[in-house]
Amino acid sequence: DADVTQTPRNRITKTGKRIMLECSQTKGHDRMYWYRQDPGLGLRLIYYSFDVKDINKGEISDGYSVSRQAQAKFSLSLESAIPNQTALYFCATSDFTLTSGTLEGQFFGPGTRLTVL
Amino acid sequence: SQQGEEDPQALSIQEGENATMNCSYKTSINNLQWYRQNSGRGLVHLILIRSNEREKHSGRLRVTLDTSKKSSSLLITASRAADTASYFCATDPHNSGGSNYKLTFGKGTLLTVNP
Repeated sequence: DADVTQTPRNRITKTGKRIMLECSQTKGHDRMYWYRQDPGLGLRLIYYSFDVKDINKGEISDGYSVSRQAQAKFSLSLESAIPNQTALYFCATSDFTLTSGTLEGQFFGPGTRLTVL
Repeated sequence: SQQGEEDPQALSIQEGENATMNCSYKTSINNLQWYRQNSGRGLVHLILIRSNEREKHSGRLRVTLDTSKKSSSLLITASRAADTASYFCATDPHNSGGSNYKLTFGKGTLLTVNP
């Protein structure tokens, strides 16, 4: 099974609808992230969470909200979707091992392609 | 705002040739990471180089880091058709405490390896 899963994989919705994208991970990582990717652009950070009680805004949080239901689950919501939120959305996780001095990269889910009409 | 900028935006080579991609960034970093993305898929972490390292190898990958020039390069040797993908650099800024969060990604280099 994949370490980081996202549902749905594809979603088409209409302007004004509320949408929730879900992310689950089996890596046991504390840190989770939501990014969006637009054609020709790199990834931009929407929100990130260090643990269940710690949620932080990223570069482009306006129009989005998140919920960290458990260590393994991190959801992204669009309260009232608009067309310029059409993008590819990625969830990612990472470990924090400062004491061991070991740093790994972030582990990404397969992405959710969201289209807002 | 973009921290890392990859160069070139696109690169097309023949199988067996080496591919070099560059990344420039603006502010001090704790580490720099390279990721690969196959079309429409999630990113895959390739390699991480810390700010006190100058060169790192992983299989056919070689990464260099020049903090004085705020630049990094990714070399893929003996490229294969399966290396066709977009490659992104991501920087972990110094003010983040080196804890691998709030990565800032560049726009990527699209590498095409022709059989």
